[in-house]
Amino acid sequence: DGGITQSPKYLFRKEGQNVTLSCEQNLNHDAMYWYRQDPGQGLRLIYYSQIVNDFQKGDIAEGYSVSREKKESFPLTVTSAQKNPTAFYLCASTRTPRGNQPQHFGDGTRLSIL
Amino acid sequence: QQPVQSPQAVILREGEDAVINCSSSKALYSVHWYRQKHGEAPVFLMILLKGGEQKGHEKISASFNEKKQQSSLYLTASQLSYSGTYFCGTDILGASNTGKLIFGQGTTLQVKP
Repeated sequence: DGGITQSPKYLFRKEGQNVTLSCEQNLNHDAMYWYRQDPGQGLRLIYYSQIVNDFQKGDIAEGYSVSREKKESFPLTVTSAQKNPTAFYLCASTRTPRGNQPQHFGDGTRLSIL
Repeated sequence: QQPVQSPQAVILREGEDAVINCSSSKALYSVHWYRQKHGEAPVFLMILLKGGEQKGHEKISASFNEKKQQSSLYLTASQLSYSGTYFCGTDILGASNTGKLIFGQGTTLQVKP
């Protein structure tokens, strides 16, 4: 079955450390998105990519970086510059980068500070 | 820019109906609705496009009032499985070639036996 796979499910970050969250999709979707969700809140867009080798900042990109070297992969790095990284991170994809496409979500990665 | 959802929380008994609203200050191309169970990924429910359409699936339906830039999600004869947090995601007109959504803060629905 096609879908989005995020790993790891849980991740712990030490002070000053960069960590990378994996997101892989086998849906052959062009567009991919990273969201951050804090307890009791909605989803906020970190970065998005409309096509391979291209990506744009979302609303809260500071302290994060991404790459899109392959269509199926969109890893997110949480850098040491992100001072409050504890959150639930969700990756999503759409067949094309259009607002009439449903977003398919992975199961998320829960990041905590040690 | 974030859409406003109301109510923030609602508690129902099985079989009762509920309405969740989502209002935007911006002109919209589409409104998405998702349901999220605690600790899980959001699950897509439906999309409504500019044009004021109404869509439905079994006992869950939604409408989009283009003049008011407001969407409403209707849950009828609620079941225990309807419990969760409901999010609307809005796609602003003029930015719809990115697929970016701006999500509301969520409405928590609890259905009791």
